[in-house]
Amino acid sequence: AQKVTQAQTEISVVEKEDVTLDCVYETRDTTYYLFWYKQPPSGELVFLIRRNSFDEQNEISGRYSWNFQKSTSSFNFTITASQVVDSAVYFCALSEAFDYGQNFVFGPGTRLSVLP
Amino acid sequence: DSGVTQTPKHLITATGQRVTLRCSPRSGDLSVYWYQQSLDQGLQFLIQYYNGEERAKGNILERFSAQQFPDLHSELNLSSLELGDSALYFCASSRGGRTNYGYTFGSGTRLTVV
Repeated sequence: AQKVTQAQTEISVVEKEDVTLDCVYETRDTTYYLFWYKQPPSGELVFLIRRNSFDEQNEISGRYSWNFQKSTSSFNFTITASQVVDSAVYFCALSEAFDYGQNFVFGPGTRLSVLP
Repeated sequence: DSGVTQTPKHLITATGQRVTLRCSPRSGDLSVYWYQQSLDQGLQFLIQYYNGEERAKGNILERFSAQQFPDLHSELNLSSLELGDSALYFCASSRGGRTNYGYTFGSGTRLTVV
């Protein structure tokens, strides 16, 4: 069965620092999809990115960037020049190809606190 | 606004009671998923419906049940409530029945059982 590990339970940084959130996954499938979601203090879950297993290009969206490395089964998320509004819990998730809900696996989350 | 609507946003009820949580999926989405998020359990998948039919089941308690109606809205019924049922309950929706495109989540219903 697939698994997602986010070894960092909590991270604190000072505003403007760069921070990387780690995500390591396990799957037997060759086709799979990786996701990041953000849960700010208000509680809603916000979709950030989806990446399929055939696309190892890094992606950058403003201050956010994602590094996907199949060789190490990792899909890490970096926030550059962090801001207080980035404070949230971040979840990494994995779906094997053509799967149903019970196989959409979330990691335990990393709580990021950005201090002013 | 994600397009997924959950009501109510907050609910406080007593042990032993029954409550109904409601979810309207994003326009055009046929699948609805229910998740429970408690402090010590993370995001736990409960159940998925696709176009009115149950498609997948997670660790949903027998005291909990759900359904999806012809207009595609869904309800999660929680009965004989216990203190441990206090949690944030999320509904999510997706266009198809598979999860490879991810979900869009609603803002959640915070249930407090006292």
